[in-house]
Amino acid sequence: EDKVVQSPLSLVVHEGDTVTLNCSYEVTNFRSLLWYKQEKKAPTFLFMLTSSGIEKKSGRLSSILDKKELFSILNITATQTGDSAVYLCAVATNAGKSTFGDGTTLTVKP
Amino acid sequence: ETGVTQTPRHLVMGMTNKKSLKCEQHLGHNAMYWYKQSAKKPLELMFVYSLEERVENNSVPSRFSPECPNSSHLFLHLHTLQPEDSALYLCASSQVQGTYEQYFGPGTRLTVT
Repeated sequence: EDKVVQSPLSLVVHEGDTVTLNCSYEVTNFRSLLWYKQEKKAPTFLFMLTSSGIEKKSGRLSSILDKKELFSILNITATQTGDSAVYLCAVATNAGKSTFGDGTTLTVKP
Repeated sequence: ETGVTQTPRHLVMGMTNKKSLKCEQHLGHNAMYWYKQSAKKPLELMFVYSLEERVENNSVPSRFSPECPNSSHLFLHLHTLQPEDSALYLCASSQVQGTYEQYFGPGTRLTVT
């Protein structure tokens, strides 16, 4: 059975801190790993990673994939209160199936 | 309107009612999805449609019945639900099924009394 495990489950930091969120996976026929941010309702897409070692960046957020060790990290630098959300990791397979992790709840305090 | 829209945003129904959730995507995507998100649980994929054909049904009880009349619209018909079916139901679409990023609608918050 495909499995995606995120850690930590929750995290509280102060504005300006840097955080690292982890996602490990065990799936058959891996195709891509995706990160989403979920605030109040719908998740919004952040990154899609398909190749090892290539960092994707968007402003203060960056992510990298290690296909040998089967994990990905999402980094957020200089955190702001607006970064408070649930961060979801999902893995898609060549069979077209997506499996989501439980998510990491990030709270950024002023 | 752009993106993925869902109606209604909130729904309260009794266990004997029949209701439908509607999803519409304006992105020209070919795949659409229904997810269930319960409190303190990960997103659960319910159904996947690719080019209007159902390609995945993740052991969802028959009281949930999806319908995809065209590539822009997706419905979830509900009947004789149970209180444990109360959850946020999210619709998503992607350009191609499975491996591409999915764009989510705002969700329908369903409460079954």
